Amino acid sequence: EDQVTQSPEALRLQEGESSSLNCSYTVSGLRGLFWYRQDPGKGPEFLFTLYSAGEEKEKERLKATLTKKESFLHITAPKPEDSATYLCAVPPDSGYALNFGKGTSLLVTP
Amino acid sequence: GAGVSQSPSNKVTEKGKDVELRCDPISGHTALYWYRQSLGQGLEFLIYFQGNSAPDKSGLPSDRFSAERTGGSVSTLTIQRTQQEDSAVYLCASSFTGSSGNTIYFGEGSWLTVV
Repeated sequence: EDQVTQSPEALRLQEGESSSLNCSYTVSGLRGLFWYRQDPGKGPEFLFTLYSAGEEKEKERLKATLTKKESFLHITAPKPEDSATYLCAVPPDSGYALNFGKGTSLLVTP
Repeated sequence: GAGVSQSPSNKVTEKGKDVELRCDPISGHTALYWYRQSLGQGLEFLIYFQGNSAPDKSGLPSDRFSAERTGGSVSTLTIQRTQQEDSAVYLCASSFTGSSGNTIYFGEGSWLTVV
């Protein structure tokens, strides 16, 4: 059973058009929710970790929020350089390695 | 080092040959992970090391896949008798400890193509 589901699979925005990406998870005891950015041909780059419902973190045009069942990555006034695949991940109920969602592929056009 | 280093960055091999992929984690990181990412697919966990031990090998897809870590640092992922379905990006990551909730940092990956 998938523990992490991301939506939408793909998103196309015009420059300056704000939107949100969703990550829902099903682990029973959350021990952190992680957001990464992956550019084509590169490894994932760490963005944020959120640990408790209500927590928010910001970096430039990105803001990540967390509830008890999902996380949102809000992108405010995006620029073409924000185009990438955004991945979220959670530690499993048992085990060590992060479980990743399939990602949202974001394209921002000028 | 400053980041996770992987080599080779690209490898083309013939079906049936063996390949070795190398990972040098961030200095001081005791936990090391291997993931696989196929075209258009998500990240698939392969194996986790804490020091030189591998307490979780549950993601290795077959007995053709093996990995080792020496000196609590460098790790090698070996794929024997490669098949076309092994074509993927193999990503290595490391974290300061293996505790859940620790941030893991990725290398740039080794792109493997089996022809």
